[in-house]
Amino acid sequence: GQNIDQPTEMTATEGAIVQINCTYQTSGFNGLFWYQQHAGEAPTFLSYNVLDGLEEKGRFSSFLSRSKGYSYLLLKELQMKDSASYLCAAMDSNYQLIWGAGTKLIIKP
Amino acid sequence: GAVVSQHPSWVICKSGTSVKIECRSLDFQATTMFWYRQFPKQSLMLMATSNEGSKATYEQGVEKDKFLINHASLTLSTLTVTSAHPEDSSFYICSARDGTGDTGELFFGEGSRLTVL
Repeated sequence: GQNIDQPTEMTATEGAIVQINCTYQTSGFNGLFWYQQHAGEAPTFLSYNVLDGLEEKGRFSSFLSRSKGYSYLLLKELQMKDSASYLCAAMDSNYQLIWGAGTKLIIKP
Repeated sequence: GAVVSQHPSWVICKSGTSVKIECRSLDFQATTMFWYRQFPKQSLMLMATSNEGSKATYEQGVEKDKFLINHASLTLSTLTVTSAHPEDSSFYICSARDGTGDTGELFFGEGSRLTVL
């Protein structure tokens, strides 16, 4: 079957660094997406990885290892506004997104 | 980046009535649009894939006669919740892919919160 695993909840301190992990199993693979979602709002695109390695975009970076079925989202210099749910989604061979349940990130002062 | 507009943002309706939600790609052509629903504290659930000019592909467990999808143009897809009931109250979100048949980035609408009384 197809599934995505990511932690349910994480807590970090303002100004610190946090890594949110995601493992996936899909029928075929066409990339790994990370989205940010604040409560009551639609998800916002953060990153897309289809090749192995690290993609850096400002304070956020995303890493992919296709051989391990593993990705992580790295958030640096955490700000209070980064408190949100972070959704990991893998695209299968039919270009369908398989969504994780999301990781709720709590930032403390 | 590309913009996807969804309307209405909020809608309250009486049980038994139908509600139409529109999803528009404002600055690109979207041959494929996706409709999702999200219940509180749960992840997005794909309801159906909408392809321009053809019938939508529904996910297992989603009633196609209840959730009517029309993708009549390259910039507009509509979701109609027919004979809505309180259990249909949810957050409905559309997304569109910028690109044809490739792994183009997905862009999401603002979402529509439906409350059925």
